Amino acid sequence: ETGVTQTPRHLVMGMTNKKSLKCEQHLGHNAMYWYKQSAKKPLELMFVYSLEERVENNSVPSRFSPECPNSSHLFLHLHTLQPEDSALYLCASSQDGAGDQPQHFGDGTRLSIL
Amino acid sequence: EDQVTQSPEALRLQEGESSSLNCSYTVSGLRGLFWYRQDPGKGPEFLFTLYSAGEEKEKERLKATLTKKESFLHITAPKPEDSATYLCAVSLNDYKLSFGAGTTVTVRA
Repeated sequence: ETGVTQTPRHLVMGMTNKKSLKCEQHLGHNAMYWYKQSAKKPLELMFVYSLEERVENNSVPSRFSPECPNSSHLFLHLHTLQPEDSALYLCASSQDGAGDQPQHFGDGTRLSIL
Repeated sequence: EDQVTQSPEALRLQEGESSSLNCSYTVSGLRGLFWYRQDPGKGPEFLFTLYSAGEEKEKERLKATLTKKESFLHITAPKPEDSATYLCAVSLNDYKLSFGAGTTVTVRA
């Protein structure tokens, strides 16, 4: 496997369910990110981890809970979501988070809340 | 407030019809401007990084340029496989990119 891999690719859940999104990067990077992408809107940064430590929490509701057990894996735990949370959730990584480095993205999880 | 604006929102081209996409930004102390390509159902694919005014980068039919206020992505003699949404992002500081809403390019054969 190469690059950034996200699973599952599609997820349908009810508002009372609990589920988790998984991201794995094979690039040897130290920084990992969660983004939300809604139709016709710019990507919204949700969380940033650097060397497994959270460095950014962009005013995200507590129904989204990130976890970074090591520098290669990132999870997003979901519970009691709302219909407006339906979106494409993207994971990204970069070498060490410096502002002059590009971020590399996975193909996302398409989340639908019933 | 830091802002990235892309125009046009959508662009329909005939195969071979060259055109340009615009990314205007208002951020002080630019550390990097990034172009991505996103296909339907996929994540953004990194294309270029530009760091300073006057810089240019090329890849196949794509060429990105940068001034102090904006960047252009030129598509020369496009083919249908160049159809995608092109995203521009600027670095605000460590870890944070501000993205534009994108330009969706459709190239007809």
